[in-house]
Amino acid sequence: DGGITQSPKYLFRKEGQNVTLSCEQNLNHDAMYWYRQDPGQGLRLIYYSQIVNDFQKGDIAEGYSVSREKKESFPLTVTSAQKNPTAFYLCASSSLGGGSYEQYFGPGTRLTVT
Amino acid sequence: DAKTTQPPSMDCAEGRAANLPCNHSTISGNEYVYWYRQIHSQGPQYIIHGLKNNETNEMASLIITEDRKSSTLILPHATLRDTAVYYCIVRVAGDSSYKLIFGSGTRLLVRP
Repeated sequence: DGGITQSPKYLFRKEGQNVTLSCEQNLNHDAMYWYRQDPGQGLRLIYYSQIVNDFQKGDIAEGYSVSREKKESFPLTVTSAQKNPTAFYLCASSSLGGGSYEQYFGPGTRLTVT
Repeated sequence: DAKTTQPPSMDCAEGRAANLPCNHSTISGNEYVYWYRQIHSQGPQYIIHGLKNNETNEMASLIITEDRKSSTLILPHATLRDTAVYYCIVRVAGDSSYKLIFGSGTRLLVRP
């Protein structure tokens, strides 16, 4: 089956620890995205990447880092510098041709930091 | 900020049509209107998109007004599984990020 996988579904960490969230896609999409969602809110863009070894900051990049060493993988690291890391994190991917660019989302990782 | 305005909540009876409105009065000529939905604790699901013509697929229909300042998503025969938050999004044109700006959406409750 083609799609986007995120792991783990739930993640618990102590304050001050860095944590890396996994995102893998087998849709052969060029672009990948990370969003954050807080309770009752819409999604906010953290980072995005349109090509391997390149990525750009979104609207709320502070305290996060990413890498794009392979087309199918776009891991997100939540660093200890992120002041409010507890949230629902969503990864998405899209193609970059054809004019419509709909994004396909993974199931999300719910991170709790105490 | 989101470029769209949606009612915070709506409800409809199972089996009836659900009509979800969206205002996007500042939309540019080359910007698409997208609709996504998010069932509780899941990732958003793409539904449909359009530029200026009405569109239909197996999930829904999208009606865009002639002036493109508003649109309506129609679920022709709503089921309980259609209970979700529905997001109307205008894709930012001229921005190579192709990012989607999500507002708060409309929470649709389908009643038995």
